[in-house]
Parts: sequence; structure tokens; C-alpha cells
Amino acid sequence: AQKITQTQPGMFVQEKEAVTLDCTYDTSDPSYGLFWYKQPSSGEMIFLIYQGSYDQQNATEGRYSLNFQKARKSANLVISASQLGDSAMYFCAMATGGFKTIFGAGTRLFVKA
Amino acid sequence: NAGVTQTPKFQVLKTGQSMTLQCAQDMNHEYMSWYRQDPGMGLRLIHYSVGAGITDQGEVPNGYNVSRSTTEDFPLRLLSAAPSQTSVYFCASSYIKSQDTEAFFGQGTRLTVV
Repeated sequence: AQKITQTQPGMFVQEKEAVTLDCTYDTSDPSYGLFWYKQPSSGEMIFLIYQGSYDQQNATEGRYSLNFQKARKSANLVISASQLGDSAMYFCAMATGGFKTIFGAGTRLFVKA
Repeated sequence: NAGVTQTPKFQVLKTGQSMTLQCAQDMNHEYMSWYRQDPGMGLRLIHYSVGAGITDQGEVPNGYNVSRSTTEDFPLRLLSAAPSQTSVYFCASSYIKSQDTEAFFGQGTRLTVV
């Protein structure tokens, strides 16, 4: 069975510091994709970053990077130089078998000034 | 999210009524999906499509139908609304290719079934 786990219900980070949001996954499918999304309090869903299971390098997108450790089945999101606008809910998701996607429960990030 | 148009934004239905949520994208993406989000939870996949004419069930498909006659459109039909279908619904459109991957969501539909 496919499973996504986000163990941190809430996280605090000081503005301008880096923060890591944890995500572990489980699947027996050798081909899968991992996503991170941001959901601000306004409710919209924003795609941040993607890592394919066969991608050789860890994904990066601006201040976001995905620390992909395949053997440990983890796909942590690192946000560098946190900004107040980063305060939001963050979801990790996994797609397998074509595009069948499951989401984690999410981590709420609070950025302190 | 100019690329994904989802309507309506709000809807109230009576139990037993049917309705269609509309979703359209203009980016020629092959992947489209419908999700529901219940309070305090992550998104759950209802149905998805990997191209025109191809759809498949997600985690919570019961009570919903989809079709994908064109690349652009992916409507979600509620057959006979039930209070358990009260939720926020999101349509998504994606292109998957390593670092070129992109995904866009519609603005969401807040559905209440009374």
C-alpha cells in the first residue's frame, strides 16, 4: 500500500533562517513522483517542487530544495531564508501507477519576525 | 491560477440533487485530477485522467463521475448529493517531466450539502 507521512503537525522558524519539513513515503512501485505544495490561509494550492524517483539530482526551485533520500524513503522540503509569507500549510504528496496521488496530513509552518 | 478555471466557487445543494463542477485548462497538460479537502486534512484523490478518453478512480470515487472528452476539460459530476460530500473540491492540471514539472490548481469549490 502507498503511504505518505508528515510527522510534524506544526513548526516554528525565525525569519531568515532555514527550515526542514519532513516527509517519508512508502511504495513498492519503482516509478513514482514526489511533490510539495503550499496552502496559504487563503486556501489556494500552490505547487512548489517535484522529484521523480529516477531523477539523479535533488530538485531545487529558488529557495526550495527537496532532500531526496531514496534508501530511507524520505523527501524532506528545505526552505532557505524563511520569509513571513512562507507561513502556510505544506503538503507532501506522492504519485504512483500513472498519476494516482496521495497526500500527507500536512505541516503548518509559522515564520516569526 | 490563470491556467486552470474551476467553477463554481461556492455551491449549496440539497440532499439528492446532482450537479457538475467544471474544470478547464489551457496549458495542454495531460494529467488532470479532482480532489476533495475536508477540514484539517490533506487532499484526497477522487478521480484522475492521464489523457483525453482515459480516466481512473482515486481514493474516494464513490458518488462521483468524470469524463475527459477533450484535453482541456475535466468535469466532475455528483450523482446524488449527500451531506458527507460537503467539502472543498480542487481540480488540478499537471505536466510531469523532472525539473520541468508544473502543476496548477483551480481556486476550489466550497460545496455544502444540506
